[in-house]
Amino acid sequence: LAKTTQPISMDSYEGQEVNITCSHNNIATNDYITWYQQFPSQGPRFIIQGYKTKVTNEVASLFIPADRKSSTLSLPRVSLSDTAVYYCLVVSTGTASKLTFGTGTRLQVTL
Amino acid sequence: NAGVTQTPKFQVLKTGQSMTLQCAQDMNHNSMYWYRQDPGMGLRLIYYSASEGTTDKGEVPNGYNVSRLNKREFSLRLESAAPSQTSVYFCASSEGLLVPGNEQYFGPGTRLTVT
Repeated sequence: LAKTTQPISMDSYEGQEVNITCSHNNIATNDYITWYQQFPSQGPRFIIQGYKTKVTNEVASLFIPADRKSSTLSLPRVSLSDTAVYYCLVVSTGTASKLTFGTGTRLQVTL
Repeated sequence: NAGVTQTPKFQVLKTGQSMTLQCAQDMNHNSMYWYRQDPGMGLRLIYYSASEGTTDKGEVPNGYNVSRLNKREFSLRLESAAPSQTSVYFCASSEGLLVPGNEQYFGPGTRLTVT
């Protein structure tokens, strides 16, 4: 299984760029990297997914190096409302066997 | 378009009681999932249904049963509740396991306490 490792917590000031790195050394060829965001008392919300290189959407960017053993979620100019837990998942196409959310990274944004 | 809905929002059970958690989605998704989240922890997959008519065990299936009633609905049953099943339960759905990345949409959760 492609177990993921991410920092337990991070702090940032409002307006800064935040980069959260996830390591997944055992990623397989048909695995995709996905990130979710969870606010207290809510279900997780999908942020972004990618396979290699760089992916960008209206919320975040995802950087994946050529060896795919790690990935970095980049949140530009965070605001207080970005305070949440962020989960990195390695999802294998065609199976639910890797659908485990680790403890995630708790991001605290302050003024 | 309500997305994924779950009932009830809160429930308190006594040890040994049974109950069924209901989940429905209106996005015409093929796959549905049940997770549990314990305090300060990530989500763990209990059961999932890759498509209508199929169900499979996830990481922590013991003490639970599921039914994929139709394409829209996926229920989770606790036959004899135990204090260790005190948790927040999330239902999710996705287009399908064969979709790269398998983006999941989550419901608001059911907070269950077993005394």
